[in-house]
Amino acid sequence: GESVGLHLPTLSVQEGDNSIINCAYSNSASDYFIWYKQESGKGPQFIIDIRSNMDKRQGQRVTVLLNKTVKHLSLQIAATQPGDSAVYFCAETFSGNTPLVFGKGTRLSVIA
Amino acid sequence: GAVVSQHPSWVICKSGTSVKIECRSLDFQATTMFWYRQFPKQSLMLMATSNEGSKATYEQGVEKDKFLINHASLTLSTLTVTSAHPEDSSFYICSARHPVSQSEAFFGQGTRLTVV
Repeated sequence: GESVGLHLPTLSVQEGDNSIINCAYSNSASDYFIWYKQESGKGPQFIIDIRSNMDKRQGQRVTVLLNKTVKHLSLQIAATQPGDSAVYFCAETFSGNTPLVFGKGTRLSVIA
Repeated sequence: GAVVSQHPSWVICKSGTSVKIECRSLDFQATTMFWYRQFPKQSLMLMATSNEGSKATYEQGVEKDKFLINHASLTLSTLTVTSAHPEDSSFYICSARHPVSQSEAFFGQGTRLTVV
């Protein structure tokens, strides 16, 4: 099945704090997961990805954790900045030329 | 890196008219492109998969006669919203997977369609 999003939950954090955004994915067979950032009126922007044979991957200020047992993804943003304010989506897919299935999305609001 | 370009970025049209949205892969060939629709405060929902040289595959609930997809070349897919109505107003986004790794997906800038 697909992860269908109807409304966007909001996470508010103070500037400089760490943010954790969670996502539940739907297909246990998915082998590739991506986090995207979307600003108003723009297309999704790639943040970080992870394959199903990993449980953690780190980038610059961001970390993705994958828990396949409970089909859960999380995105951790260190030292959150005002420029991080946006909507964040997780997506699941298979390696190959297949479409992405997006999660609900979370709006991150950074309080200066 | 690979780039997908979408045009126009926004369009306003009258009810009953048709609107064409273009999606181009600028520096790679894309045999497959994906079209998504996003309503305000919602997630991206897959509408259809565009296949070069063959018919598009539509998701359940998406009217193929209303949303015409043409993928006539390896770098261009078009989505035409026919006989548009206000409920078709939405943000339409195209995407293509990386041609070599077929991992990362690249997205167009999106098209904001407003039907009045």
